[in-house]
Order: sequence, then C-alpha cells, then structure tokens
Amino acid sequence: AQSVTQLGSHVSVSEGALVLLRCNYSSSVPPYLFWYVQYPNQGLQLLLKYTSAATLVKGINGFEAEFKKSETSFHLTKPSAHMSDAAEYFCAVSLGRAGAGNMLTFGGGTRLMVKP
Amino acid sequence: DTGVSQNPRHKITKRGQNVTFRCDPISEHNRLYWYRQTLGQGPEFLTYFQNEAQLEKSRLLSDRFSAERPKGSFSTLEIQRTEQGDSAMYLCASSRAGLVDTQYFGPGTRLTVL
Repeated sequence: AQSVTQLGSHVSVSEGALVLLRCNYSSSVPPYLFWYVQYPNQGLQLLLKYTSAATLVKGINGFEAEFKKSETSFHLTKPSAHMSDAAEYFCAVSLGRAGAGNMLTFGGGTRLMVKP
Repeated sequence: DTGVSQNPRHKITKRGQNVTFRCDPISEHNRLYWYRQTLGQGPEFLTYFQNEAQLEKSRLLSDRFSAERPKGSFSTLEIQRTEQGDSAMYLCASSRAGLVDTQYFGPGTRLTVL
C-alpha cells in the first residue's frame, strides 16, 4: 500500500518569495509521483509528474519538484511566488501497474496563500 | 479537446433520496476514474473503468453506490438512499491507457445531503 503526507496544511509566502511545499511518500514499490493544483470551484490540474526518468522534474507555471529516494520526498518549489499561485496543492502517488489502472493516492493538500 | 465535463455541478438532496451524476470524458480516453473529496481532504479513489469494464472498486464504495460506463463513453455514478456522510465533491478523471497515464480531471459535482 502507498501513502502520501503533506507537511503543512497552510503555507503563506510573500509575492516574489520562494515557494516550498513538502511531500513525503510511502510505497512498497518504486512510485510514480504527481503534483496537482486546484483552484476554487475547479477540478485538479496536473503541474508535473515523476516517472523514474530525471529526478528533477519541471512543470507548468515555473514549478519544479525533485525526487529524493533516500528521503522518500518529492517537494514542490517555485523560485518566485505570484499572486495567481494561490490555490490548493495536492501531492499524489500511483504504482504505475502495466495493464492496470493507475489509481492515485493523494495527500491531504496544502493551501498556498500569497501576500502582496 | 473540450476537457472532462461533469453534470450537475451542484446537487442538493434530502437524506434517503437517490442521486445520479454524469461524467463525459475526453473523447479518445479509454480509462475513467471516480474520486470523492470531502472538505479539507485530498481526493479518494472510488472506482475505475477501462472502456466499459469496471475493473476496480474501493472499499469506500458501499453497496449504495453503483457506477456504469455503457459503451465505454460517458459514465454515471448513482448513490441510493443518500446519507449526510455522502456530502462531498465527486470528481471524475479520464486518461489514455498507459503505464503512467496522466489523469485529466473534471470540475466535479458537489453533493449536499440535508
């Protein structure tokens, strides 16, 4: 079984500051990892995904995440926060089973607030 | 590519009533997933279809829940004899089959059971 823990249900940063959202996972097999963003009253949008290629993954809107197996982490970062980044962010893991569905297991989410 | 659509967007019902939600996936996607998201939590997997076959169901999916995907296109999720604990956002996602398929989510249906 796999699980995801997101440290910090709320994170507040100033506009222009570094964004760091933490995600730790537990998986019995090599995992596939995802970050999704959810704006109010909208569905989830994929930011980036790790699929065992490069450990540093670049996504949309200037976000990136680094897979660290030794730390079982997949933290999301952005060098400079914009007001438009304010949203809920979810880290998720799947097992990537060939020929079967890839059910996602999500963390509890982190709400990012950006102060002007 | 018009995205995943879900209807209705909001549903308010009284306890004990039946409700049905619809999901229209991206047209060429053969996989379809249903998730449930309660307030302040991440989505939880409910069930998954590949084409018209329902291949996996979570233990969260009680006997009161049923899902179908006739002809492998749109899907419906029905909840019978709704309970207040069923109040949540119900999310649908679709994808092309692959080792690590990217799931595209719809806007969700928010259910409130009074």
